Amino acid sequence: AQRVTQPEKLLSVFKGAPVELKCNYSYSGSPELFWYVQYSRQRLQLLLRHISRESIKGFTADLNKGETSFHLKKPFAQEEDSAMYYCALTEDYKLSFGAGTTVTVRA
Amino acid sequence: EPEVTQTPSHQVTQMGQEVILRCVPISNHLYFYWYRQILGQKVEFLVSFYNNEISEKSEIFDDQFSVERPDGSNFTLKIRSTKLEDSAMYFCASTKTGKVAFFGQGTRLTVV
Repeated sequence: AQRVTQPEKLLSVFKGAPVELKCNYSYSGSPELFWYVQYSRQRLQLLLRHISRESIKGFTADLNKGETSFHLKKPFAQEEDSAMYYCALTEDYKLSFGAGTTVTVRA
Repeated sequence: EPEVTQTPSHQVTQMGQEVILRCVPISNHLYFYWYRQILGQKVEFLVSFYNNEISEKSEIFDDQFSVERPDGSNFTLKIRSTKLEDSAMYFCASTKTGKVAFFGQGTRLTVV
């Protein structure tokens, strides 16, 4: 069985400060991992997937198979980054989500 | 850019009543999903649908739930006899390859 853990329910940072959202997973095969974001009153949308290895909106995430982690990082948080962030893992054509982390970026 | 659309945005129903939540997936997508999110909890998988049949369902998706793709464009979730604990946000999603999912804006179901 697969499982995605996001240990922080809430994260508050100041504008310009670094932000890191933790995600750990347990999965027996080769996982495909994603970060989804939900801005206020908007739908869930894909932020990053590990296989693309790109930076979106200044965010990066590296898959660490040794630590079974896929932490999301941004060096300088902006107010518009305030949102709910979900780490997700796909297996057999379905996504399983972590509990989510609410990020608040304060001015 | 194509989007997954869901109707209605908010549905209030009495306990025991049937509800149908509607979704129009992105037109060339092949895999369809329903997820739900009870207030304050995580997004939970309900069911996946591929090739006109259910490919997987969770424990939540009991006999009270059913899905249908009646006309090649709509994808519906029916709850036969709603319970108070069915109150949640229901999200429809679709994907072309079974990997990157595109979500609808959700339907908030309130059972009273």
